[in-house]
Amino acid sequence: DAKTTQPTSMDCAEGRAANLPCNHSTISGNEYVYWYRQIHSQGPQYIIHGLKNNETNEMASLIITEDRKSSTLILPHATLRDTAVYYCIVARDTGNQFYFGTGTSLTVIP
Amino acid sequence: ETGVTQTPRHLVMGMTNKKSLKCEQHLGHNAMYWYKQSAKKPLELMFVYNFKEQTENNSVPSRFSPECPNSSHLFLHLHTLQPEDSALYLCASSQSTNRELKDTIYFGEGSWLTVV
Repeated sequence: DAKTTQPTSMDCAEGRAANLPCNHSTISGNEYVYWYRQIHSQGPQYIIHGLKNNETNEMASLIITEDRKSSTLILPHATLRDTAVYYCIVARDTGNQFYFGTGTSLTVIP
Repeated sequence: ETGVTQTPRHLVMGMTNKKSLKCEQHLGHNAMYWYKQSAKKPLELMFVYNFKEQTENNSVPSRFSPECPNSSHLFLHLHTLQPEDSALYLCASSQSTNRELKDTIYFGEGSWLTVV
């Protein structure tokens, strides 16, 4: 599995965009980038995923660099409820195992 | 509500007890998983089942015994656990084991286990 590197923690002001980076320099051609988040004491929640192109849904946007070695999750207007640990995962091309790293602990500040 | 339900949400058991965690998914998925999350540690994949067959066991001690009677239900039987096994145990499911289908996995809320 490709290894991912994320900052340990980040702060973001409420109402501002939260940009969470992830490095995955060893990603292979058919591996996808997934983002999940885990609010304290709850199960992880799926946010978004992508392969090459940028993706957007009702929760967030995912920007993947052209060389696919890094990506950024963007929460356009962070709220206090977005305070959570955000995990960037690169999924294997076969099988179904998701391996979680330590993630980024995002704190949205009023 | 993710469609994956875990019971009990909280469990306290002694080291000599036998207990079970239950997971049920209402999503029509074919793959189910057990993860363990200890305090301040990443989630650890424990077991994977695909169409009721175990396809992954990440060197989990035998005191944890999974059971998957059908694609909708998954159990984790617990026996002679240690205090260090205290953790949040998360169940998850996905449609398929085929990553090329860009599948996502959906987690339950977890079962908090305390071994005393």
